[in-house]
Amino acid sequence: DAKTTQPTSMDCAEGRAANLPCNHSTISGNEYVYWYRQIHSQGPQYIIHGLKNNETNEMASLIITEDRKSSTLILPHATLRDTAVYYCIVRPIYNQGGKLIFGQGTELSVKP
Amino acid sequence: ETGVTQTPRHLVMGMTNKKSLKCEQHLGHNAMYWYKQSAKKPLELMFVYNFKEQTENNSVPSRFSPECPNSSHLFLHLHTLQPEDSALYLCASSPASNEKLFFGSGTQLSVL
Repeated sequence: DAKTTQPTSMDCAEGRAANLPCNHSTISGNEYVYWYRQIHSQGPQYIIHGLKNNETNEMASLIITEDRKSSTLILPHATLRDTAVYYCIVRPIYNQGGKLIFGQGTELSVKP
Repeated sequence: ETGVTQTPRHLVMGMTNKKSLKCEQHLGHNAMYWYKQSAKKPLELMFVYNFKEQTENNSVPSRFSPECPNSSHLFLHLHTLQPEDSALYLCASSPASNEKLFFGSGTQLSVL
């Protein structure tokens, strides 16, 4: 599976947009970009995923560059409850076996 | 609430004990997973079950024994564990092995 690189930690002011970057320069054409987050003492939670086009749902927006080598997860109005570790994961479309390989992620701290 | 329930939430056991972790989902999913999360480390995939059949064993020591009696239940039987096995054990499920995962809250295990 392609590897991802994320900053170790980031801060964001409450009410502001949080922009979390991810590099996946070795991604192949048949691999999705997935984002999960893990709030302290809980299991990871699915946020969003995309292949080529930008995606938006009730939680976040995902912006994927045209060359697909990087992406940005956007939380439009961060709240204190968005404080968590955010994982960017590259996963094959035909993921036989169900592997989802987690890296270290970005620890986002939303501050009042 | 993700629809994936793990019990117990916390477990303390001695190295000679035998215990079991339980995971239950009523989402109608066909794939179930065990992950291990040690302190300050990324999540590690342990086992994958598709339609009750084990499809992935990520070189897990035999002191961890999974059991999947039906598509809704998954167990992890533990025996003669070591202190380094202390970790958060997370169960997840997905509709199929190539779809997004829903995680439980995990069992925090301490081996004394």
